[in-house]
Amino acid sequence: DIVMTQSPLSLPVTLGQPASISCRSSQSLVYSDGNTYLNWFQQRPGQSPRRLIYQVSKRDSGVPDRFSGSGSGTDFTLKISRVEAEDVGVYYCMQGTHWPPWTFGQGTKVEIK
Amino acid sequence: QVQLVESGGGVVQPGRSLRLSCEASGFTFSNYGMHWVRQAPGEGLEWVALIWYDGSNTHYADSVKGRFTISRDSSKNTVFLQMNSLRDEDTAVYYCARAYRMDTAMVPDFWGQGTLVTVSS
Repeated sequence: DIVMTQSPLSLPVTLGQPASISCRSSQSLVYSDGNTYLNWFQQRPGQSPRRLIYQVSKRDSGVPDRFSGSGSGTDFTLKISRVEAEDVGVYYCMQGTHWPPWTFGQGTKVEIK
Repeated sequence: QVQLVESGGGVVQPGRSLRLSCEASGFTFSNYGMHWVRQAPGEGLEWVALIWYDGSNTHYADSVKGRFTISRDSSKNTVFLQMNSLRDEDTAVYYCARAYRMDTAMVPDFWGQGTLVTVSS
């Protein structure tokens, strides 16, 4: 199974400042079709997860453009250009290349300083 | 609007069974595979099972294989998770989530609000 490792696990951020979350996979996530199926989810307190990013860098409908994804192979990053209060929550990366199973990172908790 | 509404959670003793349901609305159910993903209290997300859009194939996490069964009823736009031989470690919020059938990665793109299953004597 593919192991997804996130860092940091806790990220205190000042409002208006940038934030960055790293995700590494135990194997390359490049699929035979040339695409890389790395996704990012946001889980706000008391809510269900919401997909933000798919295929490394494609934003889902309605996701603010302050969220961006990047990376390749085994190393990926989610960036928030300017953190807002509504961004508080836990962020998970998830791979969809080598399934089953679909595997998630441990989660990174973003909070306001 | 797209909705996934889970039900059937509750408190159950170890070794007993429970059946979860997830009713879908607001989209063409037959175009989507359906996942179950769980989250133990205070923990992260763990994928549990997937059923293909047409019900022709299923996949399970090793932790539930042989104990849980995923199924779907297209006439009712509903997916089920039959959970047998429940263990303490199955205690979690169970989410259903859809995945578009043309998506190679079958990634969940919309999730329900979840239903809590507590396994305790």
